[in-house]
Amino acid sequence: GAGVSQSPSNKVTEKGKDVELRCDPISGHTALYWYRQRLGQGLEFLIYFQGNSAPDKSGLPSDRFSAERTGESVSTLTIQRTQQEDSAVYLCASSLVWIRGSGELFFGEGSRLTVL
Amino acid sequence: QQPVQSPQAVILREGEDAVINCSSSKALYSVHWYRQKHGEAPVFLMILLKGGEQKGHDKISASFNEKKQQSSLYLTASQLSYSGTYFCGTDSQGAQKLVFGQGTRLTINP
Repeated sequence: GAGVSQSPSNKVTEKGKDVELRCDPISGHTALYWYRQRLGQGLEFLIYFQGNSAPDKSGLPSDRFSAERTGESVSTLTIQRTQQEDSAVYLCASSLVWIRGSGELFFGEGSRLTVL
Repeated sequence: QQPVQSPQAVILREGEDAVINCSSSKALYSVHWYRQKHGEAPVFLMILLKGGEQKGHDKISASFNEKKQQSSLYLTASQLSYSGTYFCGTDSQGAQKLVFGQGTRLTINP
């Protein structure tokens, strides 16, 4: 596709349910990020994938959060047993290269998660 | 590890100038600047790399002081379209990932 695609764009769920958020990066982009943005707040780093290297999971807030990426393609962010504080926009971004921060990030439109 | 931005918010009249600052406690490989309009995804403005290389839009000006781990974004002769929240992101040595500051909200009034 022409840009980073995320789905669903909006998700409303009940507390305690599991949710899956999908990110389809730009073809050929080796680096992929997930960020969380709470209402009116900044971009909180969650996880980073670079090619076939082990992902940097240091930003995941709890073990309820996990993410996978198959090769250099689609990534899925899973939140188990959702809590109200998980409500936020989850942004995915990809980059063609990531050598010492040299690559421009292209962001998707985000998945807005609301936990009731 | 998160960079610190200042000011948190700026209100300008169209045509005025603004400077947004970003500082880190870590030695940096690069500094990124992005702008996010309300309800939209962040959009790339500029990358400043250790060693002096810069990549970005011609109308955007920024500096990177590697010794002080600081960067500044210069917005001159501001236009209404410049309104939004500006984020700096840093890739610090040993981190190998981009971490963003809390953002600076810029409002341009006619």
